[in-house]
Amino acid sequence: AQRVTQPEKLLSVFKGAPVELKCNYSYSGSPELFWYVQYSRQRLQLLLRHISRESIKGFTADLNKGETSFHLKKPFAQEEDSAMYYCALRWGGDNFNKFYFGSGTKLNVKP
Amino acid sequence: DTGVSQNPRHKITKRGQNVTFRCDPISEHNRLYWYRQTLGQGPEFLTYFQNEAQLEKSRLLSDRFSAERPKGSFSTLEIQRTEQGDSAMYLCASSSSSEAFFGQGTRLTVV
Repeated sequence: AQRVTQPEKLLSVFKGAPVELKCNYSYSGSPELFWYVQYSRQRLQLLLRHISRESIKGFTADLNKGETSFHLKKPFAQEEDSAMYYCALRWGGDNFNKFYFGSGTKLNVKP
Repeated sequence: DTGVSQNPRHKITKRGQNVTFRCDPISEHNRLYWYRQTLGQGPEFLTYFQNEAQLEKSRLLSDRFSAERPKGSFSTLEIQRTEQGDSAMYLCASSSSSEAFFGQGTRLTVV
């Protein structure tokens, strides 16, 4: 079965420290991976997707097919990065238009 | 606001009552999704429409749940004979390509 695992429920770091939010997936084909973010009292919104290979708000994520991971990284965390982060998987075949989400990691950036 | 709109934002109902939620997607999006999110979990897929056709329905969706998208525009999600376990945030999302845009959700509380 397709699955997205985010092992950390909560990650607390100090401002300026590096951040890595882990995401592992299980799928035998070629998935599309996304990171969504939810700031307090706001809707879920796309942060970045692996096919874009771009940096958004200083965050990057590399798809590692060998390790089936898509970890989200930022070298210097800011207080405004505090939010819930969800890793999501979208794949080809019959389920191509369905997104599966991990359980989320709450990032708390302390001053 | 030209994003995905959901109504109502909050709904409190007594157990056994029926409730209906509405989702207005982004106008040019042909794909529409319903998700459910409970505390501490990521969004769980419920059902998916492409235009007016309901193409997939999760096993999470019991017979008490029904969704429609009659003209391929707005969608409704109805829950009959609500149970306390139905209490959750119900999220709607729409898409025209790979990215899904989410509404702010309807929070259902069954008392």
